[in-house]
Amino acid sequence: NAGVTQTPKFQVLKTGQSMTLQCAQDMNHEYMSWYRQDPGMGLRLIHYSVGAGITDQGEVPNGYNVSRSTTEDFPLRLLSAAPSQTSVYFCASRRQSGAEAFFGQGTRLTVV
Amino acid sequence: GENVEQHPSTLSVQEGDSAVIKCTYSDSASNYFPWYKQELGKRPQLIIDIRSNVGEKKDQRIAVTLNKTAKHFSLHITETQPEDSAVYFCAASTSYNQGGKLIFGQGTELSVKP
Repeated sequence: NAGVTQTPKFQVLKTGQSMTLQCAQDMNHEYMSWYRQDPGMGLRLIHYSVGAGITDQGEVPNGYNVSRSTTEDFPLRLLSAAPSQTSVYFCASRRQSGAEAFFGQGTRLTVV
Repeated sequence: GENVEQHPSTLSVQEGDSAVIKCTYSDSASNYFPWYKQELGKRPQLIIDIRSNVGEKKDQRIAVTLNKTAKHFSLHITETQPEDSAVYFCAASTSYNQGGKLIFGQGTELSVKP
């Protein structure tokens, strides 16, 4: 099993550009989430999903969109990149609400 | 919604000493409390977790305690070693009926000096 796979690992965007961060898991987990990690701020929840076709907002959803058309994939879309979105992004999946979360390797995004 | 506060933000100990990291949560319906370790440049990985029906759990040098009444939980590392140096995150999860969100604290950077 590959676990949770994120692409790309690194990305530089110009302000105003859009892009999609990809996340795929092969563990048949129902729960998937996107977090951003900034120094001193911990891991902040952007959006999450409890199953295909179901998504909801987390702590910092503004500027990001998600969709969950399949159990395996949970892409994160940046609509119009801003320097404040410079961060490390992690995708995570869990079997259920009270289970271990498995993280992808992270995407380091810089918006200039 | 759920809010998790973690202290301290940095902790420096001598090898062999104990380290304690504390977290508080706001949602009394939270029922699952994991701890993650993140080494430099790596992804977070689970080291121990506890559920709301248990007050304490131990795994070798690591233990976690939970006080549901006070809504706080703590990570205890005994006989620290240099390889324990990392950032540690606590988290709290609500039940499925409440969305099952996993909310993290701000992190504690632990440094173990040889």
